[in-house]
Amino acid sequence: DADVTQTPRNRITKTGKRIMLECSQTKGHDRMYWYRQDPGLGLQLIYYSFDVKDINKGEISDGYSVSRQAQAKFSLSLESAIPNQTALYFCATSDSRFPAELFFGEGSRLTVL
Amino acid sequence: RKEVEQDPGPFNVPEGATVAFNCTYSNSASQSFFWYRQDCRKEPKLLMSVYSSGNEDGRFTAQLNRASQYISLLIRDSKLSDSATYLCVATGGFKTIFGAGTRLFVKA
Repeated sequence: DADVTQTPRNRITKTGKRIMLECSQTKGHDRMYWYRQDPGLGLQLIYYSFDVKDINKGEISDGYSVSRQAQAKFSLSLESAIPNQTALYFCATSDSRFPAELFFGEGSRLTVL
Repeated sequence: RKEVEQDPGPFNVPEGATVAFNCTYSNSASQSFFWYRQDCRKEPKLLMSVYSSGNEDGRFTAQLNRASQYISLLIRDSKLSDSATYLCVATGGFKTIFGAGTRLFVKA
């Protein structure tokens, strides 16, 4: 089983719908992240959390929200999805002792029509 | 200007070839550097760290030049399984910046 698990892996939705992407980890890491990846742009940070009570905006947080329900769970919500949010979304974790070494989930491919 | 820039490629090389990728970063305060590997439609995975003194892991060698703000990855004796996208990463403080990646195709 993967150490960082994302659900759903694929989702097609319509403009205006609310979508939640979930991430859970068994690595015991305190830090969790949500990234999106678009062709030619690399990974862009949406939100990050260093512990359950800590939530921080990344480079492209507009249109997104997150919830850190537990140390092992970090969910990303799109309150009202729009087509330019079509992308591949990755959850990642890291240990505060080695913060720059990220471990990624397998990705959630979201298509907004 | 992107904070971390890479040549997108693709690099098409035969098996056994030596190939080098370069990466530049704009934030002189960046502290740590890495190369990640990403297979098609898969998640990125850490390949190796990059140090000023150089870092070698088997066929892979990574180098950092802080004065030029330049990072390199050298792959010797390329294998078909090396075909992937290689992401350059620079970190500093709470920021981890990924380059857009360089695509490598190794052909028989």
